[in-house]
Amino acid sequence: KNQVEQSPQSLIILEGKNCTLQCNYTVSPFSNLRWYKQDTGRGPVSLTIMTFSENTKSNGRYTATLDADTKQSSLHITASQLSDSASYICVVSEKTSYDKVIFGPGTSLSVIP
Amino acid sequence: GAVVSQHPSRVICKSGTSVKIECRSLDFQATTMFWYRQFPKQSLMLMATSNEGSKATYEQGVEKDKFLINHASLTLSTLTVTSAHPEDSSFYICSAFDNPQQYFGPGTRLTVL
Repeated sequence: KNQVEQSPQSLIILEGKNCTLQCNYTVSPFSNLRWYKQDTGRGPVSLTIMTFSENTKSNGRYTATLDADTKQSSLHITASQLSDSASYICVVSEKTSYDKVIFGPGTSLSVIP
Repeated sequence: GAVVSQHPSRVICKSGTSVKIECRSLDFQATTMFWYRQFPKQSLMLMATSNEGSKATYEQGVEKDKFLINHASLTLSTLTVTSAHPEDSSFYICSAFDNPQQYFGPGTRLTVL
C-alpha cells in the first residue's frame, strides 16, 4: 500500500534555530516528491519538488534532500523565523496517467521567540 | 508561478442550503482539477477529481449527489455542497497541475449552522 509518513508530528523550536523534518514513503512507482508549507487557514504552498535523480533542492532557507533508494526525504529549515510556524506536508506522486498524489500527515512546526 | 484561486474564501450558511465554491486556474489551463477537504489538524483528503468536459471521479465514501462538481471550462471547476449540514463544515481546497507542479487554491472555509 502506498503510504507517506512524516516525523515528528509536531515540533517547537526557538527562533533562529535550525530544524529537520523527515518524510518516509513507500510509493511505487515513484514520480516526484514535494514539500509544501501550509499556514493555518490557507492552502498549501510549494517549497520544493524533486524527481528520482535529484538528491537535494534548496529554496531560500529551505533545503530538501531525497534518497530514492531508502525512500526517505528531509526538509531542513535554517535560521528559523516566527513566520515559519506552519504545517509542512510531504507529498509523493505515483507515476500514473495524471500523477496520483499521496499526502503525508504533516509536521506542525511552531517557532517561538 | 501558476496561480489557483478560490471563491469565496469563507462562507457561513444555514443547514439545508446549497453552497457553490469556485476554483479557477488563473494563468494556465487545467483539464483536471482536484477537490480536497481538510478537517482541523488533519491532512488534506481527496474528495474528487474534476475532469473538463466529463463527469467527475469521486473517492470512495464521497457522495456524488451531495458534492456536485462541474468542470465547464479549462480554467474553472465548481463544487456545490447540496443540502449542507453542520458535519459538512470544513476547509475545502482545490488544486490543479501545471506539470510537474501541483498548485493549490487558498481554500474555502465552510461553516454550516
